[in-house]
Amino acid sequence: NAGVTQTPKFRVLKTGQSMTLLCAQDMNHEYMYWYRQDPGMGLRLIHYSVGEGTTAKGEVPDGYNVSRLKKQNFLLGLESAAPSQTSVYFCASSFSGNTNTGELFFGEGSRLTVL
Amino acid sequence: TQLLEQSPQFLSIQEGENLTVYCNSSSVFSSLQWYRQEPGEGPVLLVTVVTGGEVKKLKRLTFQFGDARKDSSLHITAAQTGDTGLYLCAGAGPNTGNQFYFGTGTSLTVIP
Repeated sequence: NAGVTQTPKFRVLKTGQSMTLLCAQDMNHEYMYWYRQDPGMGLRLIHYSVGEGTTAKGEVPDGYNVSRLKKQNFLLGLESAAPSQTSVYFCASSFSGNTNTGELFFGEGSRLTVL
Repeated sequence: TQLLEQSPQFLSIQEGENLTVYCNSSSVFSSLQWYRQEPGEGPVLLVTVVTGGEVKKLKRLTFQFGDARKDSSLHITAAQTGDTGLYLCAGAGPNTGNQFYFGTGTSLTVIP
């Protein structure tokens, strides 16, 4: 079972370059999320989507854009990468937005280094 | 400053010892979850607590939600090497737009 798949797994960028991270889920989940993980800071929510065609800002949205054109895919874009965006990025999905019963299913992460 | 602070940040103990990890906030949460993450993988859900004062047990792990729903603790009895990992709490409530915001994490190492 694939679950949540992130591509690419690793990427090195130069400052100012752009790139897109792709997240795909095969569980027919409505909700999808992008988090970044940095040492000592746990996971911080960048953007999320409550359904196809919708997006919303999380804790740390600046410098990132997202799109949810298809229910199974959630794209995270960096238009002009900065060294501060060096991080491990995690995509997650959940069946519903009910926080009492919902569970986040995570991908394996994408390690991005910006030089 | 993050909404949820965990302590300690790092913990190294001998196999068989007990430990407690804390997750604190000044905000009230509707629900709180605990996840465990192993190197190179995404976090995996351990438990969800939703009622103030609630206690849930998962084998040797005991989770408690504070009476005021602002804090939580995770207690592990007789730790095993397989418990090694990063433990993350995540809270959802009015201050988070009802999305899960994660804590700062506690890295646990259990030494054989």
